[in-house]
Amino acid sequence: AQSVTQLDSHVSVSEGTPVLLRCNYSSSYSPSLFWYVQHPNKGLQLLLKYTSAATLVKGINGFEAEFKKSETSFHLTKPSAHMSDAAEYFCVVSDRNFNKFYFGSGTKLNVKP
Amino acid sequence: EPEVTQTPSHQVTQMGQEVILRCVPISNHLYFYWYRQILGQKVEFLVSFYNNEISEKSEIFDDQFSVERPDGSNFTLKIRSTKLEDSAMYFCASTGQLGLGSYNEQFFGPGTRLTVL
Repeated sequence: AQSVTQLDSHVSVSEGTPVLLRCNYSSSYSPSLFWYVQHPNKGLQLLLKYTSAATLVKGINGFEAEFKKSETSFHLTKPSAHMSDAAEYFCVVSDRNFNKFYFGSGTKLNVKP
Repeated sequence: EPEVTQTPSHQVTQMGQEVILRCVPISNHLYFYWYRQILGQKVEFLVSFYNNEISEKSEIFDDQFSVERPDGSNFTLKIRSTKLEDSAMYFCASTGQLGLGSYNEQFFGPGTRLTVL
């Protein structure tokens, strides 16, 4: 079965400093991986996805993630945090047929002025 | 830009009552999903639906739950007899073509907050 583990439940950074949100996955085949963001009282918005193309994936709002098969990781990064990035971030893996998507437990990002 | 819509935004019901949560997926999408998020917990997959039948369901999706696409546009989740523990945010999602090399991004609706008293 597929699963994802988000290693940090909370991350706090200062505005203008880099962001790193960690995600490790488990999959019996080459996975498709996604990062979603959820702002307070809002729905889920796709930030970026990896579907077996380029291992470095660029998303919206300056976020990117690198798929590392050897480390079974798909960490989300951003060079410089903005106050508007404060939200909860979910790493997601799909099953082979995209019938079922498995969410990580989420990482709440706090951005300090 | 096309979007997934959900109604109502907030539903309050008494324990034991039936509720129907409604979703209008993006019009050319073929695959539909329901998820729930209990307050403070992670998003959990409930069910996926394609070609008028369930493709996959989780252990949460027991006989109290059902889904249907009654008219080609709406996609509904029915809970027959609600329990206190059904209180959660319910998200609908849809996607178009699935599979390698195909479009597989899920678009999520804003959610329906269900409160069971």
